[in-house]
Amino acid sequence: AQKVTQAQTEISVVEKEDVTLDCVYETRDTTYYLFWYKQPPSGELVFLIRRNSFDEQNEISGRYSWNFQKSTSSFNFTITASQVVDSAVYFCALAQGGGADGLTFGKGTHLIIQP
Amino acid sequence: DAGVIQSPRHEVTEMGQEVTLRCKPISGHDYLFWYRQTMMRGLELLIYFNNNVPIDDSGMPEDRFSAKMPNASFSTLKIQPSEPRDSAVYFCASSDENLAKNIQYFGAGTRLSVL
Repeated sequence: AQKVTQAQTEISVVEKEDVTLDCVYETRDTTYYLFWYKQPPSGELVFLIRRNSFDEQNEISGRYSWNFQKSTSSFNFTITASQVVDSAVYFCALAQGGGADGLTFGKGTHLIIQP
Repeated sequence: DAGVIQSPRHEVTEMGQEVTLRCKPISGHDYLFWYRQTMMRGLELLIYFNNNVPIDDSGMPEDRFSAKMPNASFSTLKIQPSEPRDSAVYFCASSDENLAKNIQYFGAGTRLSVL
């Protein structure tokens, strides 16, 4: 069975602070894919990043960066210089095998950026 | 390009009534997924299709739930009879290995309230 744990239920920071959202996963597969999605207050789910199990390179996209470490089964997400518009629920998710299967989601982290 | 389109956006019904949720995937995508989001259980996969064929329906909660995909551009999720505990947001997502690298793109969701 596979599992995704986001231990931080809610995080509140002041604008411009850096914030890291934690994600720990469990799977028996050697091939798998990890994802982060954003759910703003409007409710839709917005894709942010996809990473396969063979690519441990960290990735940076603007103010967003992701740290994938297979040794600790973690795929953490950092927002640098946070902005109020970053306020949302962020979900980490796992897809086994080739990545075409359904996603197993974590419970999500509610991020609140205060002005 | 249009994204995944779900209808209706909101549905309010009374216990015992039949409810049909609809989804139009992104053109060219050959995978379609149905998820349910509740406060208690988070985001759960209900069923998914590949080339209009159901692949995994192990997440469908009960026989009251059924899903069909009569063609590549349309899918339905039906609940009959509906119960208050079915109240949730239902998301449809689609993906494709070639076009979308197995990234699932989500519709805006249908918020179902069963009274």
